[in-house]
Amino acid sequence: DQQVKQNSPSLSVQEGRISILNCDYTNSMFDYFLWYKKYPAEGPTFLISISSIKDKNEDGRFTVFLNKSAKHLSLHIVPSQPGDSAVYFCAVERGSQGNLIFGKGTKLSVKP
Amino acid sequence: NAGVMQNPRHLVRRRGQEARLRCSPMKGHSHVYWYRQLPEEGLKFMVYLQKENIIDESGMPKERFSAEFPKEGPSILRIQQVVRGDSAAYFCASSPQQANNEKLFFGSGTQLSVL
Repeated sequence: DQQVKQNSPSLSVQEGRISILNCDYTNSMFDYFLWYKKYPAEGPTFLISISSIKDKNEDGRFTVFLNKSAKHLSLHIVPSQPGDSAVYFCAVERGSQGNLIFGKGTKLSVKP
Repeated sequence: NAGVMQNPRHLVRRRGQEARLRCSPMKGHSHVYWYRQLPEEGLKFMVYLQKENIIDESGMPKERFSAEFPKEGPSILRIQQVVRGDSAAYFCASSPQQANNEKLFFGSGTQLSVL
């Protein structure tokens, strides 16, 4: 049973526009959320995170929003660039260090 | 400064054979984590090791799978008597001691194919 859900397998956006990637989770006890980015033939790389005590965290073009009541988070990328084309994974901490639950990922394509 | 090194990149095994996947953490990192990604799925945590110790193996299948991180040398994920369902990408990550999860650095993975 999926505890972290990314319901959109893919997303296509025009360069310069906003990309919005969504993630839902089931357990209200989760309190730390991360986004990873993955290029083909590479491992995931950390992008941005948010703690449950916040509802927004911003880092340059990337902003993560957390809605605890809806158990929903989203990643906004603005403006989108072709180099952002990758698979984006939402993840939550579970228990011990390094024990993350990942969603299935959303493949973002940014078209020039 | 080399990143997390995994080898081989691709490994082909026949059913019933053994698979050994190696992971060398980043320099200065003493914590290693193994994840598995089945086709069309997200990464699934398998095991967390420190040098010579298994800290959390809650994601490891009960049979055929084992992991070690010896005092010297790389971490090894060993799968005995492989079956087709073991075909997946296996990712290793490392972190410095007492790091938060933002400090997880992943290798490029080993793609295991079981014929």
